[in-house]
Amino acid sequence: QVQLVESGGGLVKPGGSLRLSCAASGFTFSDYYMSWIRQAPGKGLEWVSDVTISGGTKYYADSVKGRFTISRDNPKNSLYLQMNSLRAEDTAVYYCARRKTGSHAFDIWGQGTMVTVSS
Amino acid sequence: QSALTQPASVSGSPGQSITISCTGTSSDVGGYNYVSWYQQHPGKAPKLMIYDVSNRPSGVPDRFSGSKSGNTASLTISGLQAEDEADYYCSSYTSSSTLYVFGTGTKVTVL
Repeated sequence: QVQLVESGGGLVKPGGSLRLSCAASGFTFSDYYMSWIRQAPGKGLEWVSDVTISGGTKYYADSVKGRFTISRDNPKNSLYLQMNSLRAEDTAVYYCARRKTGSHAFDIWGQGTMVTVSS
Repeated sequence: QSALTQPASVSGSPGQSITISCTGTSSDVGGYNYVSWYQQHPGKAPKLMIYDVSNRPSGVPDRFSGSKSGNTASLTISGLQAEDEADYYCSSYTSSSTLYVFGTGTKVTVL
């Protein structure tokens, strides 16, 4: 079945780094734009980053620009988020999501991975 | 880019209809027909319920419908059921460098 599975979350100190991964299965990964979306504890959803099908164009929320880097490996059906210079306010569940073809909606979501930034 | 404005909570009895509003600006909701709605049960990932203002993905009951007027989009749940109790978020494509903005979220309670 169509599935996205995130991994790589954990506890990290302020200023530290973490790399999230998202493994896709059940669909042709290389046919879709992909996104990262996060949700701080008890808060709403926040779009973080998008990457085009080829990986050649990337978009970022102002809150993470210059600190986070999105990438993808189509042969490995995988999406990544490299997070540097982490801050307490980056603490959240990070979801990887598939962008619906021809739309700007997110039609498939992973279960999420928790990132906690704390000393 | 500010979050889209939703009511914090909406409630209704089983079988009733409720409507959740989502207010933005001409740079997001009002400027594009790219409003989507997500349902999120506690501890679960969001689920797409409506895309492109009023389209339902396969498998979503036709009790869920979407519309838009000006800078405000709406999600209507008709024939409310116990399993509809969840948080609901709207989202819109935007003309800013922040490509997408989400709503503040609405907790739907089935009385």
